Amino acid sequence: GQQLNQSPQSMFIQEGEDVSMNCTSSSIFNTWLWYKQDPGEGPVLLIALYKAGELTSNGRLTAQFGITRKDSFLNISASIPSDVGIYFCAGQPLYNFNKFYFGSGTKLNVKP
Amino acid sequence: EAEVAQSPRYKITEKSQAVAFWCDPISGHATLYWYRQILGQGPELLVQFQDESVVDDSQLPKDRFSAERLKGVDSTLKIQPAELGDSAMYLCASSTRLAGGLVNTGELFFGEGSRLTVL
Repeated sequence: GQQLNQSPQSMFIQEGEDVSMNCTSSSIFNTWLWYKQDPGEGPVLLIALYKAGELTSNGRLTAQFGITRKDSFLNISASIPSDVGIYFCAGQPLYNFNKFYFGSGTKLNVKP
Repeated sequence: EAEVAQSPRYKITEKSQAVAFWCDPISGHATLYWYRQILGQGPELLVQFQDESVVDDSQLPKDRFSAERLKGVDSTLKIQPAELGDSAMYLCASSTRLAGGLVNTGELFFGEGSRLTVL
């Protein structure tokens, strides 16, 4: 099946630092989604992207739909301790609008 | 705010026992998904429903897993018999279609999940 490569696998940062993570696919995607998952909880949708080049913000979070339509990026500015969690990318491939594929997650640790 | 409801949140069972999980999607969402998530990994699709019909169950271990969505609203995922390797988080998610179209809106909403531990 479709593979999404998400990196980095984990990050250890200081409170106040900015964070970047990305996700790449082998095929063109129609939609990119970014989720945050806290331990023992379900993933919560943060940002949805629908057009190549689209840049969307949600508070301190900004995500971009890559121009090639094969990648997406998530940035978190001025990180705080509650940003700790696992961030997943997900997307719908162009060849199958009704399927969602997930990356393996980026585990974010923020040191106060 | 509309939510995907799941129960139970936690289930501990012994191997060879039967377990069942229930999901009620966001009202009006025609598409319902069951995912399995192993610790440290992303969710993996088990089964996808469009209304009451299964549209993809290619990754569902059909010898022990079954899923139904009889009236096209809530859904049940069953495992019988449970095995040690079934310990995981079982996530239900739903999405809706663009008005008048055949394509999902692109937003997928998850419930809080059901954590299964098989002893």
